[in-house]
Amino acid sequence: KQEVTQIPAALSVPEGENLVLNCSFTDSAIYNLQWFRQDPGKGLTSLLLIQSSQREQTSGRLNASLDKSSGRSTLYIAASQPGDSATYLCAVRPTSGAGSYQLTFGKGTKLSVIP
Amino acid sequence: DARVTQTPRHKVTEMGQEVTMRCQPILGHNTVFWYRQTMMQGLELLAYFRNRAPLDDSGMPKDRFSAEMPDATLATLKIQPSEPRDSAVYFCASTTSGLAGEQFFGPGTRLTVL
Repeated sequence: KQEVTQIPAALSVPEGENLVLNCSFTDSAIYNLQWFRQDPGKGLTSLLLIQSSQREQTSGRLNASLDKSSGRSTLYIAASQPGDSATYLCAVRPTSGAGSYQLTFGKGTKLSVIP
Repeated sequence: DARVTQTPRHKVTEMGQEVTMRCQPILGHNTVFWYRQTMMQGLELLAYFRNRAPLDDSGMPKDRFSAEMPDATLATLKIQPSEPRDSAVYFCASTTSGLAGEQFFGPGTRLTVL
C-alpha cells in the first residue's frame, strides 16, 4: 500500500527566504505526482503536476522535482511571500490499471511566511 | 472560469439525520472523486466514478454511505443515518481521462454531526 510522508509538518520562515518542502513515497510505481495548496477553510488548488518521466516542473516562483527511483519529490519556493502561507500537500497517482485514478495524499506541510 | 462546485458549503445536523451533498464537476470531465478530510486521517478517497459508473467505493462505509451520479453534471454523496464520527470536510474533484489526470477540487462541504 502506497504511503506518502511530508516532513516537516509545519514550517515558519521570514519573508524573502527560499524554502524547500519535502515529500516521500514508498512505492515508486507512480504515474505522476501532484502538488496542491490548501488555504484555511478552502479546497485544494493544484500547483504543479509532474509526470513519472519528468524530472521537474516550474511555474513562476515554484519548482517541483521528482526522483522516482528514490521515492522523493521536493517543492522549491523562491523569494517567499506572506501570501504563500498555506498548507502544501503532495499526492501520487499509481501507474495505469485498476485504481489508476486514485491519489494518495500526504498530510501536508503548513507553511507560515512571516512579514 | 471552469471550476468544481459543491453544495452546501456548510451543514450542521443531528445524529441519525440524512445528509446529502452535491457536486457539479467541470463540464467535460468524466471522472469524479469524493474525498473526506479530517485532522486525524488527512485526505481519504471515498469513491470515484468514470463516465457516471462507480469504479471504486471501497473507501466508504457501505452501511451508511452511498454515492451516485444521476447525470454527467451531478454527483451526490449521501449519509444515512449520520453519526458524529462523520464530521469532516467532504471534497469532490474531477478530471478527464484524456489528460494526465490532474484533479481539480471543489471548495468542500464542511459537515458537523451533533
